Formats: sequence, structure tokens, C-alpha cells
Amino acid sequence: QEPLVESGGGVVQPGRSLRLSCADSGLFFASYDLHWVRQAPGKGLEWVAFISSDGATKTYADSVRGRFTISRDNSQKTMFLQMDSLKPVDTAIYYCAKDFKVWGAAAGALESWGQGTLVTVSS
Amino acid sequence: DVVLTQTPLSSPVTLGQAAAISCRSNQALEHTDLNTYLSWLHQRPGQPPRVLIYKVSHRVSGVPARITASGTGTYFTLNIAKVEAEDVGVYYCMHETEVPRTYIFGQGIRLEIK
Repeated sequence: QEPLVESGGGVVQPGRSLRLSCADSGLFFASYDLHWVRQAPGKGLEWVAFISSDGATKTYADSVRGRFTISRDNSQKTMFLQMDSLKPVDTAIYYCAKDFKVWGAAAGALESWGQGTLVTVSS
Repeated sequence: DVVLTQTPLSSPVTLGQAAAISCRSNQALEHTDLNTYLSWLHQRPGQPPRVLIYKVSHRVSGVPARITASGTGTYFTLNIAKVEAEDVGVYYCMHETEVPRTYIFGQGIRLEIK
């Protein structure tokens, strides 16, 4: 599986917004559930959000619910993360990843992680 | 809420020796479909994570046979039979919760070479 490619990171002031993108060069983007996972500097992994293959189901970590919105455009093979009301604690590398499948069935794991995009929230 | 706590069973390790990492949950992880969605990931310095193991004990294609995993209920382990230099990095266990569908990571354990 080819890795996904994240973009859109940068430095932003607290309270402002940022929109991340995750692009896929593969053929079957529309068949995959997708995720955002973040990693604060020097810290561990934190799952952020999930979106089903058709975009109908979305779930969020408690730490971002109500501030972040996950979406996707299957025609463009791209997923997005709209981040509003950003806080310094949101500073992290943001990775996108695919749901790992075995014989077409979800296996409860994440694959095809991108290299990540760094978001820094600071005044 | 599910909490995953990881502990090293042996760290640091000498090249060629065995290493083990445990992942303990505060509640049973089995879903109503009788599967346990517990996976293991490896993150080398400066790299994104890579999945090694899914559903407790199934190796992903390309993962060497010296890496095995097992467990049930609330206790899971990742074993590396003969540690090689490429094994350095941080190992995470991860669980997919059933409803709603969310994901929990352990805090990660760094594998160091003596």
C-alpha cells in the first residue's frame, strides 16, 4: 500500500483555524475508512478522528470533539481535517492513515501512514 | 473507558537477545463478534508508525517471523526473538473500541540496544 500524503500544517495562533488535507494516489480510496492520528513533540500517539468510506460515519476523540471536523471527497481522493478554536495543546504532527483490511474485512489496525504534517499553535 | 498500559519485560536489550513488551487493558477487549482488535505498531525515530500485528497475533505481510504476539482478555505481549538494530524505536499497542468506533493507544515503550 502506498502511503498517504498530508499537507496544510503550519504555525497558527490560539483560537484560529487550520485545514489539513490527506491525499491518496491509490486506486481504491473510496473503499477505505480513514483516520487522523496526532503526536505531540516527544510524546506518544493519540487517535483524533475516524471517517467511514462513504463519509456517513464520523467519530472523534473527546479532546477535539466540537472543534475538529473530519470530511472526505472521494472524487478527489482526499480527506480533510478542519481544525477550529485551536489550542497550544493541539500542537503535534498530524498523520492520516487507512483502515487495515484483510480479505476485504476491517482488522482493527491502521496502515499506509503518511509522513505527517506539523501543526504548531502558538502566539 | 479503555486504558492500555504498556510495560517493558526486558529493556534495554543486547543485539541477538530476546525482548518482550506487555500491554495491559483495564477491561476485556473482545468485541461482540468475538474478535479482539488489538494491534501493535512500531515507530522508528523520525518515521511514521508501521503496523506489525493485527487482531492480537496476526503478523502483517513483510514482518519477520521472529516478531510474534499473543494474549487474551486484558493481557497482551509482543515478543522479538532475536533483537536486531532495525528493531529500535517505540512500540505501541492499539485497540479499536466497538461502539462508538474509537481507537486507544498505549503510551508506547522504547526499545533500546545496550
